[in-house]
Amino acid sequence: NAGVTQTPKFQVLKTGQSMTLQCAQDMNHNSMYWYRQDPGMGLRLIYYSASEGTTDKGEVPNGYNVSRLNKREFSLRLESAAPSQTSVYFCASSRSGAISYEQYFGPGTRLTVT
Amino acid sequence: GESVGLHLPTLSVQEGDNSIINCAYSNSASDYFIWYKQESGKGPQFIIDIRSNMDKRQGQRVTVLLNKTVKHLSLQIAATQPGDSAVYFCADLLGYGQNFVFGPGTRLSVLP
Repeated sequence: NAGVTQTPKFQVLKTGQSMTLQCAQDMNHNSMYWYRQDPGMGLRLIYYSASEGTTDKGEVPNGYNVSRLNKREFSLRLESAAPSQTSVYFCASSRSGAISYEQYFGPGTRLTVT
Repeated sequence: GESVGLHLPTLSVQEGDNSIINCAYSNSASDYFIWYKQESGKGPQFIIDIRSNMDKRQGQRVTVLLNKTVKHLSLQIAATQPGDSAVYFCADLLGYGQNFVFGPGTRLSVLP
């Protein structure tokens, strides 16, 4: 049982390049999330998926797209990277939330855009 | 937009003492709150949650108190240990969807 896994762990991009961050969970959770965390700050929600086949915008969706590929996988795509997107990106998953939204986080992807 | 914030950016406590970490929220419609612990270089780890129909909830060595009148949330850690050193975040669910808003965090340092 690996929990939530993210790839890659580190990435350096040049301005304008594109990339996809991968996330997978093996806990059979319905909900999945993408957050970004800037230095010394809290997490900000980019997008979430409450169930397979649905996605919704969070607080800071601009410049990102997501795909809920299946119940296990939720990817985040940067189409044209900008220095302002330099951050640590965390993926998380949780059960449906009827009782609790306990979220399980992955180890993060550290992205630098130059 | 709505925000969840913390009163103190850093907190230092002696090992064995109790710690109290505070959080303020602004949206009176918020109905669910979570506390997370984040150790250096790791993702956040769930500690405890509370719904707005409760004033208090206890876990193992932790207690969360919710005061809806003043829109204040606190996390109490009993008998603080060196392993409790981390950044602690509160997060708020705005009453619709699953749009969580995190506060900036409080760094807890446990002194020997």
